[in-house]
Amino acid sequence: QKEVEQNSGPLSVPEGAIASLNCTYSDRGSQSFFWYRQYSGKSPELIMSIYSNGDKEDGRFTAQLNKASQYVSLLIRDSQPSDSATYLCAVRGGGFKTIFGAGTRLFVKA
Amino acid sequence: DTGVSQDPRHKITKRGQNVTFRCDPISEHNRLYWYRQTLGQGPEFLTYFQNEAQLEKSRLLSDRFSAERPKGSFSTLEIQRTEQGDSAMYLCASSLDGDPGELFFGEGSRLTVL
Repeated sequence: QKEVEQNSGPLSVPEGAIASLNCTYSDRGSQSFFWYRQYSGKSPELIMSIYSNGDKEDGRFTAQLNKASQYVSLLIRDSQPSDSATYLCAVRGGGFKTIFGAGTRLFVKA
Repeated sequence: DTGVSQDPRHKITKRGQNVTFRCDPISEHNRLYWYRQTLGQGPEFLTYFQNEAQLEKSRLLSDRFSAERPKGSFSTLEIQRTEQGDSAMYLCASSLDGDPGELFFGEGSRLTVL
């Protein structure tokens, strides 16, 4: 079992729709959870951090965390073609090592 | 430009050669990380420095890999006797205080081993 699992996609949504990206993790002791965006040929960029159960909103992005189910999700409202990228879920346990999933490719069709 | 800087951006080498990558973190950041990313995968943790001290090292980092951060500023990652399996993007990231998972990545150094 991979430590952080994501559906590789591609996930295709029309412009203006809500994109829903999901992630599960195996280490129950994980403390911190992140979503990174990676455009093709570029390096990952942090877009959201979440540390406690529930929802956290930042503009068009909402991160959701459910520690009991070991589940993290990212909602992107009013999706734009510029949101087309690979979204990486990342999880940190107690040390300085952050574990990344393989990413979900998102395509937003104009 | 105050971002994380990596050099070289691309390196093509023959199997068995040694290569060295350099990372200049954001100037006030005391934490520096090296990750490796292959096609279709997320970044994999290699090592972590707090100032000049190497505090965490992945088991992925074989004895052919060595990293340094003299004086707590820039860092180098050296790969000795390269193998084709070393072909990857080597990403450097830095951070200040706050959660160690909040990483600012450089643009990476792409290694191709022929």
